[in-house]
Amino acid sequence: QKEVEQDPGPLSVPEGAIVSLNCTYSNSAFQYFMWYRQYSRKGPELLMYTYSSGNKEDGRFTAQVDKSSKYISLFIRDSQPSDSATYLCAMETSYDKVIFGPGTSLSVIP
Amino acid sequence: EAEVAQSPRYKITEKSQAVAFWCDPISGHATLYWYRQILGQGPELLVQFQDESVVDDSQLPKDRFSAERLKGVDSTLKIQPAELGDSAMYLCASSLTASYNEQFFGPGTRLTVL
Repeated sequence: QKEVEQDPGPLSVPEGAIVSLNCTYSNSAFQYFMWYRQYSRKGPELLMYTYSSGNKEDGRFTAQVDKSSKYISLFIRDSQPSDSATYLCAMETSYDKVIFGPGTSLSVIP
Repeated sequence: EAEVAQSPRYKITEKSQAVAFWCDPISGHATLYWYRQILGQGPELLVQFQDESVVDDSQLPKDRFSAERLKGVDSTLKIQPAELGDSAMYLCASSLTASYNEQFFGPGTRLTVL
């Protein structure tokens, strides 16, 4: 079993839809949870960073962490064509390297 | 806005040849990372530097890969000899410190080994 699992997609939604992206993990020592966005032929960029269980909102993006279920989600409201990218979840213990999921490819159709 | 610079952006080479990638992190960032990202997968850490010292190279194939950051600023990752399975995106990232801070990624070098 991989440490971090993520549905690779591709996921295709119409503009304006609510998008739900999810990751599961196996290592209960993970304490920091991140979502990165990666456009084609570019490096990843950090979207959201959370430490504890619960929700964190930033504009159209909401990150949700459920440590008891070892499950994290990213919700995108009012999705835009510019949101079309690969979304990588990532997580870290307090002293170790960051482990990335394989990414979910998202296309938002105008 | 400060960015991580990488060169070249694309590299095509034949197997058994040597290749080198260069990274210039954001000024003032003490920690530098090299990642390898195979198509359809997430980045995997190859090596992490704190200033000029290697703090994690456990996933670096040391028989063919080497990395250095001589003055604690820019860094070079070398592969010799390149193998077909090395075809991937090589990403450099930097952060202010080794404890969690946002990692800023460069645009990557896309390597194709023929």
